[in-house]
Amino acid sequence: QLQLQESGPGLVKPSETLSLTCTVSGASLRSPSHYWDWIRQPPGKEFEWIGSIYYRGNTYYNPSLKSRVTLSVDTSKNQFSLKLTSVTATDTAMYYCSRRAYSYGFDYWGQGILVTVSS
Amino acid sequence: DIQMTQSPSSLSASVGDRVTITCRASQGIRDDLSWYQQKPGTAPKRLIYAASNLQSGVPSRFSGSGSGTDFTLTISSLQPEDFATYYCLQHNNYPLTFGQGTKVETK
Repeated sequence: QLQLQESGPGLVKPSETLSLTCTVSGASLRSPSHYWDWIRQPPGKEFEWIGSIYYRGNTYYNPSLKSRVTLSVDTSKNQFSLKLTSVTATDTAMYYCSRRAYSYGFDYWGQGILVTVSS
Repeated sequence: DIQMTQSPSSLSASVGDRVTITCRASQGIRDDLSWYQQKPGTAPKRLIYAASNLQSGVPSRFSGSGSGTDFTLTISSLQPEDFATYYCLQHNNYPLTFGQGTKVETK
C-alpha cells in the first residue's frame, strides 16, 4: 500500500526558510507515470497547488510562489522535498505531499503537516 | 491561470437526498478534472478522475459528468458518512487549480 509522509518543523520564523520532506513507501519515485506534488491549505481556506516534480528532476511551479519555491527529489531515499524561502504569516498552512498521475489528479495524499509561521 | 468556480459554497441536505455540485472552468479543460472529498482533520480523498471515472472503492452513489468547461458531481442518495467538503481540481494546465469547495451539511 502506497503511503506518503510529510516531515519537517511545525514552526518557522518569519523571513526564514520552510523545509519539508515527503517520504514515499510502497512505490518508487522513479515511476514514469507519476508526478510528485506539494499542495497547501491555509486554515479555513482553499487549496493552493505549490508545484510538481518528476523523478528526473523536471519541475513545475505555481507562478504565485515560483520566486520562493524549490522542489527536489532524492530517488535513493525515495523522498522529495520542498523549500519555501522568506516566509510570512500568510504561508501558515497545512502542507500536503501527493502523487499525481498525469491527467488523473491526485490519487494518494500524505496526512499533511501544519506549518505555522510565527516569531 | 484557469479559474474553477464551484457552486454552491455550501448546502444543507438530508440523508437520502440527491445532491449536485457544479464546477465551471474559465476555459476548456477537456475532461482533465477530478473530484475530492475532505473530512475535518484529514487529507482529501479522490472520488472521481477524468471527469466521470469512479475511483476504485468509492460507492456507486457518487458520479461525475461533464467535459470542456462544465462539470457536475452527483451523490444520488446522501448517506451519513457523506457530510463533508467537496472540491474539484483541474489538471489540464499549470498551475493546477482547485474549486473553492462545497460544504455539505445536515439539514
